[in-house]
Amino acid sequence: GQQVMQIPQYQHVQEGEDFTTYCNSSTTLSNIQWYKQRPGGHPVFLIQLVKSGEVKKQKRLTFQFGEAKKNSSLHITATQTTDVGTYFCAVNTGNQFYFGTGTSLTVIP
Amino acid sequence: SAVISQKPSRDICQRGTSLTIQCQVDSQVTMMFWYRQQPGQSLTLIATANQGSEATYESGFVIDKFPISRPNLTFSTLTVSNMSPEDSSIYLCSVGVAGGSTDTQYFGPGTRLTVL
Repeated sequence: GQQVMQIPQYQHVQEGEDFTTYCNSSTTLSNIQWYKQRPGGHPVFLIQLVKSGEVKKQKRLTFQFGEAKKNSSLHITATQTTDVGTYFCAVNTGNQFYFGTGTSLTVIP
Repeated sequence: SAVISQKPSRDICQRGTSLTIQCQVDSQVTMMFWYRQQPGQSLTLIATANQGSEATYESGFVIDKFPISRPNLTFSTLTVSNMSPEDSSIYLCSVGVAGGSTDTQYFGPGTRLTVL
C-alpha cells in the first residue's frame, strides 16, 4: 500500500500557540485528505486537496498541498483545547484510502 | 453524508474463538472498508468489502483469518477468526461517499476487541 509519513509523531503546545503537522510521500499524490480523531473517537473527515500548491482554510486551520504534490501540511493558529486529538493525512488512490502515521496533539490549558 | 453503526461496540474474547463484527450504513454505498487500529497507532486497511464478490485484501491480511461478507450495499460483516491476543485492537468500518470531486470517508464508531 501507499506509504505516507507524518511528522511530528507527538506535539504538546500551550493553549494559544500554533501547531503544524507535515505529511510526506515518496511518490506524487493525486490528492490528499486530512482527518481528525478525538481521543476515544473515530476519524472525521476535514478536507481534501487536489491541486498542486492548493491552500484551503477552515477557520483557524490552514491546509496546504505541496507544489510537487508529494507533501502536505496542516497548520492550526492559536490552538484551543478543543483541537486535542490525532490528525491524520490520507491518500485516496481511487479504490482505497491509506492513512499516514498521524500526529497526536496535546493542548495544555 | 453517511451514518454508520457497528455491533458490538466492544467485546472480550478467549483465544481460539471467532468474533463477527457487523457494519450497517443508513444509505447505499459502493465503497466499504475495514480497518484495524491498535492503541496510539494509525489505521491499517484490512480489506475492501465488495458487494457481490470476494473482498479485496491488503498485504498481510488473508481471507481465512478475516472473512468478510457484503450481501448488499448497506451491510457488511468482518470476522476475526481463531483469535490470539495480537488481534486485540479497534476494528473500524468505513464507507466512501463521492461528492463532486471529493471522495469523503465516513467511519463507524469502531469495535474494541480484547483477546485474552
